[in-house]
Amino acid sequence: KAGVTQTPRYLIKTRGQQVTLSCSPISGHRSVSWYQQTPGQGLQFLFEYFSETQRNKGNFPGRFSGRQFSNSRSEMNVSTLELGDSALYLCASSYRDRGHNLKFNYGYTFGSGTRLTVV
Amino acid sequence: DAKTTQPPSMDCAEGRAANLPCNHSTISGNEYVYWYRQIHSQGPQYIIHGLKNNETNEMASLIITEDRKSSTLILPHATLRDTAVYYCIVRVEANSKLTFGKGITLSVRP
Repeated sequence: KAGVTQTPRYLIKTRGQQVTLSCSPISGHRSVSWYQQTPGQGLQFLFEYFSETQRNKGNFPGRFSGRQFSNSRSEMNVSTLELGDSALYLCASSYRDRGHNLKFNYGYTFGSGTRLTVV
Repeated sequence: DAKTTQPPSMDCAEGRAANLPCNHSTISGNEYVYWYRQIHSQGPQYIIHGLKNNETNEMASLIITEDRKSSTLILPHATLRDTAVYYCIVRVEANSKLTFGKGITLSVRP
């Protein structure tokens, strides 16, 4: 079974630019969550998408947005990049049933992340 | 979700058992205990979870105290590849986000 795929693996952008990151979940997983990891703040939850709808959102400014497509693939976008947005961005997929109930046996499966550097 | 407290680091010898403690004294009755680990530059990896009873899988064992205020993750025969940051998380099923603390850095020495 293929794992969670995140692209690109590494990215360098300039302040003020925007960036789009992609995440393909495990086949059959409808829930995709995004996390930001920095040395100072650790792992922080950005948002979760399930069946193309945002289900939960962390405490990040509106410059951070996301979406999910009908095939469950998800993208996150960061506009007007700041130096502080440099981080490892991780995507996690999980199996939830139609009622958005998490199937525990699967837990959350994370991708290897996209390392974003803003210069 | 309840807050967890873990020591910042510990080490153990290769081949020995690694016992990683976690305190979650404010845990609620419907909150599960999860353990994840993150090997350098990779995404976190699910290890095990439990509610009340002790749990075991191919990776580790989870021992939860009777009052559920603390737990211990046991890696029975630590290898060098188990060197990682281990996160103890408590959460309710309905909450879709994982709240990571600083975790505990386990160093396995040869």
